Amino acid sequence: NAGVMQNPRHLVRRRGQEARLRCSPMKGHSHVYWYRQLPEEGLKFMVYLQKENIIDESGMPKERFSAEFPKEGPSILRIQQVVRGDSAAYFCASSQGSGNQPQHFGDGTRLSIL
Amino acid sequence: TQLLEQSPQFLSIQEGENLTVYCNSSSVFSSLQWYRQEPGEGPVLLVTVVTGGEVKKLKRLTFQFGDARKDSSLHITAAQPGDTGLYLCAGGKGNYGQNFVFGPGTRLSVLP
Repeated sequence: NAGVMQNPRHLVRRRGQEARLRCSPMKGHSHVYWYRQLPEEGLKFMVYLQKENIIDESGMPKERFSAEFPKEGPSILRIQQVVRGDSAAYFCASSQGSGNQPQHFGDGTRLSIL
Repeated sequence: TQLLEQSPQFLSIQEGENLTVYCNSSSVFSSLQWYRQEPGEGPVLLVTVVTGGEVKKLKRLTFQFGDARKDSSLHITAAQPGDTGLYLCAGGKGNYGQNFVFGPGTRLSVLP
């Protein structure tokens, strides 16, 4: 999983604060995906981005959550005014293209809300 | 709505035994991936299958994609403790197959 870099690995926030999760895709990959995983559950798709564009955000909560993948720099998943229910592992994956291209995952950011 | 189901949910076996885990859906997928995830890490891709009826082998692991592209199986021969982990299947959907739906996983424990 060294190719996709996520940071921080662990993030602790108090209720009402903002959380910013960063993801640098594998070299040569221009497609980024964000997933959320609760303990003992599978991964839930949140959003799919290409450089500077959101392609599919059907899994993203309508409020407080946003994602971007700027021309330069990592993709950012931003959670505003965090609540206890936001506690989860957030995984980023990248692929070389769309159309069934395999996704390669980072090791995730574990977000804990106090 | 759980589009992908995996069974069994938990499986504990002795080293050397064979096992099969299943991934089923009522939906047709353009592709299907199998991943293994260990605690504290991200999922690691094992295989991608795209053609109905396709069979792929990866050492002691055999993956099969159903003819109708709605289901898949993973067979492990002579399981080893290193095979322990959470096995996830993911089906490709969306206009470009880019939106992957994950199953809940099968948690495998291989005892020495």
